[in-house]
Amino acid sequence: EDQVTQSPEALRLQEGESSSLNCSYTVSGLRGLFWYRQDPGKGPEFLFTLYSAGEEKEKERLKATLTKKESFLHITAPKPEDSATYLCAVHEGYQKVTFGTGTKLQVIP
Amino acid sequence: DVKVTQSSRYLVKRTGEKVFLECVQDMDHENMFWYRQDPGLGLRLIYFSYDVKMKEKGDIPEGYSVSREKKERFSLILESASTNQTSMYLCASSPGLLAKNIQYFGAGTRLSVL
Repeated sequence: EDQVTQSPEALRLQEGESSSLNCSYTVSGLRGLFWYRQDPGKGPEFLFTLYSAGEEKEKERLKATLTKKESFLHITAPKPEDSATYLCAVHEGYQKVTFGTGTKLQVIP
Repeated sequence: DVKVTQSSRYLVKRTGEKVFLECVQDMDHENMFWYRQDPGLGLRLIYFSYDVKMKEKGDIPEGYSVSREKKERFSLILESASTNQTSMYLCASSPGLLAKNIQYFGAGTRLSVL
């Protein structure tokens, strides 16, 4: 069975304390890996798409990387406004997308 | 900007009621999706549609049906609501059929079935 596992479930950081979120996947044919950010009471908002191992994308304090088995979302010098739940989703086959359960990030001033 | 609008933010219904959740997108996207989101289970796909009047079952279609009579509108129907359908429901849309398509989400409808 295809699986997408995110870790940790929750992460609490001090402002400025860099860290990484992990998304590991077991799918037969990866067509794309997506990262989304979800704020409380809102729908997920797209951040990045990665398609092949070795690919990297950056946006402000966030950098996403991809290997054959997992993806990392690196957060450099986070700020309180980065607090949110970060979701990973794997796209395989005909419109089949599997989401992980997310990492809830809290950045404390 | 792409806008996906869900008709209600909060709904409270009684067991056995027929419930309609409406979703409208303004970007002429081919694909539309309905998910439910529960703590510890993540987003699970209920149904999706890749064209008007076309639909495909997702991972958890039992107890739900959908309707897509117009390209911009995708409705989720709970034929007879049950307490285990209490959840956050999210609608999304995406263009085309290729794997490169980003999904754009609405703000969600939090449904409580009493």
